[in-house]
This record gives sequence, C-alpha cells and structure tokens, in this order.
Amino acid sequence: DAKTTQPPSMDCAEGRAANLPCNHSTISGNEYVYWYRQIHSQGPQYIIHGLKNNETNEMASLIITEDRKSSTLILPHATLRDTAVYYCIVISGYSTLTFGKGTMLLVSP
Amino acid sequence: KAGVTQTPRYLIKTRGQQVTLSCSPISGHRSVSWYQQTPGQGLQFLFEYFSETQRNKGNFPGRFSGRQFSNSRSEMNVSTLELGDSALYLCASSLGVGRNSNQPQHFGDGTRLSIL
Repeated sequence: DAKTTQPPSMDCAEGRAANLPCNHSTISGNEYVYWYRQIHSQGPQYIIHGLKNNETNEMASLIITEDRKSSTLILPHATLRDTAVYYCIVISGYSTLTFGKGTMLLVSP
Repeated sequence: KAGVTQTPRYLIKTRGQQVTLSCSPISGHRSVSWYQQTPGQGLQFLFEYFSETQRNKGNFPGRFSGRQFSNSRSEMNVSTLELGDSALYLCASSLGVGRNSNQPQHFGDGTRLSIL
C-alpha cells in the first residue's frame, strides 16, 4: 500500500473551514484514499473515501488531485468537537488498515 | 442504525490470566476485523473473520485467537496475558463482500485492557 505524508498538527478557528492535506505520491491505480479520525478515548471514525473523483458526504468533502498524488479533506465549518487526530490512508483490495501518525487538528473558539 | 458495539469497555487483568473480548458488528456486516492499538506501535492488525472463517491474520503469537458466530458477532481471546498486551483492542466491521476497497471499516470504541 502507498505511504502517506501528513503535517503533524494544524489549527483552525471554530466556524472556519479546516483543510487537511495528504500526500500519497506512490499511489497506484486501484488504491483508494480513506480518511479516518480518532478522538481521544474513542475508536477511529470513518469520514470519507474516494478513488479519483471528488467526494462529499454529511461530514466532509474529499478533493483528490487529477494525478491522484495528493488529496485534501475539508471540514466546511469546524466545531470544537472536530478536534481529533486525522488519518489519511491509501489501501487496495482487502488491505488491512494501518494508521501513520496523522494530523492533530485543534479547533479553537 | 446501531454502530459497532464492544464489551467490556475497560478490563484489568493480571499476568498469566486469559481474557475474552466481544464485538457486535453493524447489522448486515459480515466481516469483522480486530486491531491492537498502542502509543508505541500504533494500529496493528490481528485478524479478520468473514462468514465464521478467519480470512486474514496478522503477525501476532498464537496466544491471540478469535472466532465469529453465525450472527457475525465475534470474540477474541488472549491467553497467558503479558504486560505488553496492555492496549486498546478495536473491532471493525464492514460488508466484506467482494475483494475491493470500496467498503469502509467501521470501528467500535474498543476495549481498554490493562495488565498488572
């Protein structure tokens, strides 16, 4: 599975959009980009995933570049409850999940 | 729709004992995977079950075992507990049908196991 690179931490003001970047330059054609987040003391929460098209659901939007070498997770109106570690992973087939260190997003009032 | 339910949430055991953790997947999900999460090693895959059969296994010793029942509920067992087994044990379920990545895994809140 392709390796991903994320910034270790980011800050965002409450009510503003949070844009979390992820680089996956070695991604192959059949690999999906997945985003999870983990709030302290809870299990990881699935957010969104995509192959090559941009995706949107009730939680977030996922923007994947045309060459698929990077992506951005967008939380349109961040709240304090969005403070968490966000993991970007790239997987194919029935690959098991492996989280890197992720991005610690701190949403402040 | 109810999420993945894991019981118990917290457990304290001593070295040498054994423990059984339980996982109820999301209704309709047939695949259940187990993971161990620690600050030092991060998320590590233990095993995956689909239709009562172990379909995939991680690199853990034989002291770690699991099973899945006909209703897709799953249990994992750890025997002869060691201090290093202290961790958050997570269960994740997915539809599990077909070999593709378009089926996200959904996690429970885990069982926090502490070994004294």
